[in-house]
Amino acid sequence: NAGVTQTPKFQVLKTGQSMTLQCAQDMNHEYMSWYRQDPGMGLRLIHYSVGAGITDQGEVPNGYNVSRSTTEDFPLRLLSAAPSQTSVYFCASSYDREWGGELFFGEGSRLTVL
Amino acid sequence: GDSVTQMEGPVTLSEEAFLTINCTYTATGYPSLFWYVQYPGEGLQLLLKATKADDKGSNKGFEATYRKETTSFHLEKGSVQVSDSAVYFCALSDINNQGGKLIFGQGTELSVKP
Repeated sequence: NAGVTQTPKFQVLKTGQSMTLQCAQDMNHEYMSWYRQDPGMGLRLIHYSVGAGITDQGEVPNGYNVSRSTTEDFPLRLLSAAPSQTSVYFCASSYDREWGGELFFGEGSRLTVL
Repeated sequence: GDSVTQMEGPVTLSEEAFLTINCTYTATGYPSLFWYVQYPGEGLQLLLKATKADDKGSNKGFEATYRKETTSFHLEKGSVQVSDSAVYFCALSDINNQGGKLIFGQGTELSVKP
């Protein structure tokens, strides 16, 4: 009964370092997405994928890369971390094509960039 | 572009009080509307949804009605409990109703005191 699993839960980076936030889902969902949550700003979409091999940019994609080689996994890469990327990151998946459907969220990854 | 505006928090209520959290939206076309709830330290989970005008979503004593004429989707509960303390997010699906692409409001923190 895993659902959406994110790792790591906490991470501290120095400016300029790179890292990958992992996301895996075991519900065979076609749609996966990454959001960042910042105080007073709600959740903002970074990147999303409508299926294996297909990704697209969301509202705030700069500084982040994604890939979707399998249905299950959707990693988010920070190539050169900046303090502005300090945030809580949520991975989500969804199964319903027609109207967007319910998003299933992971527990979040809290990233601090010094 | 599409957007969601929620009333500012935090909202502090006594147990058994009536709750209203206002949500208005701007959208092209007829999006689906959602309320998500985030309990402390957890990811978001769907609370209720409505997919067309005049639909009422309900769950766990919470209700919201999709009002196209006022572009609103206010969340209500007749008698709140301490366990309802959380952050509540109003959201809408994008114009294409694609899975994984929701536009969120900034969130409203609710604190219920015994």
